[in-house]
Amino acid sequence: AQSVAQPEDQVNVAEGNPLTVKCTYSVSGNPYLFWYVQYPNRGLQFLLKYITGDNLVKGSYGFEAEFNKSQTSFHLKKPSALVSDSALYFCAVRANYGGSQGNLIFGKGTKLSVKP
Amino acid sequence: SQTIHQWPATLVQPVGSPLSLECTVEGTSNPNLYWYRQAAGRGLQLLFYSVGIGQISSEVPQNLSASRPQDRQFILSSKKLLLSDSGFYLCAWTDRGWTEAFFGQGTRLTVV
Repeated sequence: AQSVAQPEDQVNVAEGNPLTVKCTYSVSGNPYLFWYVQYPNRGLQFLLKYITGDNLVKGSYGFEAEFNKSQTSFHLKKPSALVSDSALYFCAVRANYGGSQGNLIFGKGTKLSVKP
Repeated sequence: SQTIHQWPATLVQPVGSPLSLECTVEGTSNPNLYWYRQAAGRGLQLLFYSVGIGQISSEVPQNLSASRPQDRQFILSSKKLLLSDSGFYLCAWTDRGWTEAFFGQGTRLTVV
């Protein structure tokens, strides 16, 4: 089955510290992977994606993610967290077979809380 | 540039009333269009998607329906709302290459 797992419901980080939000996926073939951020009562904003190429992908607002094929992971990282990074983060993979081919499959989301 | 409009932003409707949420996309043609529902501020559930005018695929059976009367217009409807229809509804589009999805700002629906 095609799926995305975000094992942490919430991640708490102090401002200025590095942050990691975890994501693992299950999909056959080469995955298209995405990270989105959602602020309260707003739509999802695109952060970054991996389709092919360098395993380290740089995105918006200083975020980056590392694609690890052997561990089927795509963890989101930032070297120094800001209070304004506090939001809900979604990992997604593009389904590449079956009736939903092409549609995004989302993880359940991880709430990031950055304290001053 | 491409933009996506979704309205209304908030809606309070009584049980049994009809529903119509509208989503339009500008600056692109032949988009794939999607309706998602987000319950309790967490996971996203794909409700409907459309790859062309009049072509609707439903991911889950429910009290809702979708229509695509024009290339860049996607409508979510219900004839009679249930309490369980409450949630945050998001419209999204992708290009034909499915390289990235763009989301509207969402509609907060409360059924009372």
